[in-house]
Amino acid sequence: GESVGLHLPTLSVQEGDNSIINCAYSNSASDYFIWYKQESGKGPQFIIDIRSNMDKRQGQRVTVLLNKTVKHLSLQIAATQPGDSAVYFCAETYGGSQGNLIFGKGTKLSVKP
Amino acid sequence: GAGVSQSPSNKVTEKGKDVELRCDPISGHTALYWYRQRLGQGLEFLIYFQGNSAPDKSGLPSDRFSAERTGESVSTLTIQRTQQEDSAVYLCAGQDFTNTDTQYFGPGTRLTVL
Repeated sequence: GESVGLHLPTLSVQEGDNSIINCAYSNSASDYFIWYKQESGKGPQFIIDIRSNMDKRQGQRVTVLLNKTVKHLSLQIAATQPGDSAVYFCAETYGGSQGNLIFGKGTKLSVKP
Repeated sequence: GAGVSQSPSNKVTEKGKDVELRCDPISGHTALYWYRQRLGQGLEFLIYFQGNSAPDKSGLPSDRFSAERTGESVSTLTIQRTQQEDSAVYLCAGQDFTNTDTQYFGPGTRLTVL
């Protein structure tokens, strides 16, 4: 079936470095993608989203890139901080904004001081 | 309140007992989702409520699972005759389609079935 997956289950970076978290999706009909951050013991927190008519969107210290040709999504975090340590999930929906999100397993980001 | 709240935060129950989990979404969020998250896993969709439409129950794993929502407010997720494999964190999320596509999650209820 259709699925969203992540290339790496864990990522360890040095404080101050840039982080890149990758995600592959298989449903070419997906038109909306979201990145969530989940800290230990908390619910997922929205970070940034992107629609399929865009290939890049920037937020505060974060950038999401969408490559529809290879069905790839990435989250870039600039100047990674200890507070960025968390599990990051990508999610897709193929039913428009009212469709149900399908989540990947997540990537754990660890920031070394 | 300012965010989505869920109760209880933790629930320990014995196998075979029924449990009821509660979600209070942000006022005005017409859509409400329930997800299950097993340890170290991603989010598994369970059920979706949108306004007065019939809920999308396609993610419920068995007939032991059911959920209700009163209008556009509180929702309860009920698990009957709990099994050990039901142990997980149950998250609810609300969404306001008129302003944003973003889902706002509650802190979750950690369910442990002994």
